[in-house]
Amino acid sequence: QVQLEESGPGLVKPSDTLSLTCTVSGASVNIDDYYWAWIRQPPGKGLEWIAYIHFGGTPNYNPALRGRLATSVDASKNQFSLNLTAVTAADTAIYYCARGRIAATSRGWFDPWGQGTLVTVSS
Amino acid sequence: QSALTQPASVSGSPGQSITISCTGPTTDVTAYNFVSWYQQHPGKAPKLVMFDVSRRPSGVSNRFSGHKSGDMASLTISGLRSEDEADYYCSAYRSSGTLVLFGGGTKVTVL
Repeated sequence: QVQLEESGPGLVKPSDTLSLTCTVSGASVNIDDYYWAWIRQPPGKGLEWIAYIHFGGTPNYNPALRGRLATSVDASKNQFSLNLTAVTAADTAIYYCARGRIAATSRGWFDPWGQGTLVTVSS
Repeated sequence: QSALTQPASVSGSPGQSITISCTGPTTDVTAYNFVSWYQQHPGKAPKLVMFDVSRRPSGVSNRFSGHKSGDMASLTISGLRSEDEADYYCSAYRSSGTLVLFGGGTKVTVL
């Protein structure tokens, strides 16, 4: 059974960098069939896709956040990470990591998800 | 404003069927069979209940079904139960730009 768990600070100051890590259990992060994803949800609002990451390829980022994003995969720790720079209050959200699928005949879905971690941007 | 449009709320009585619609730009919904749906209970992470328009993940009740016609995708819940009360989000995969778009979410209420 694949499980994901987000970790990182719950409070980040404006203009600082938000750094989160997702630890995967029950599956290896360095497999071809799946991507790893970050998705966020501002409190009381809808979902927003942030990034797709694959251990062996170039990450795909939401154009609205590109330029502020950096991601990585650490196969030795079975983790993947997200860095979002120059944060503002608009980046306050629950951040989820998830396993994603991009294949010829099946793509764009996320399963399973981590439980999410609330990151608040405030001084 | 979300790129995919869903009704803000849908309600039904126990045992009834409800349908949640999801519409978007032609290239996002009609061009591909890569629409998925998520159920989210309060304070919980989203859970995949439908993918590739009409494929149901293992463990999801067969009361959930997905369909696409023209520029609209839909999720139908039949035999409505109290545990179905949740927010539901549609999602579509695109080949470029913002690869994954979500709808604004639909609150399902069981009367």
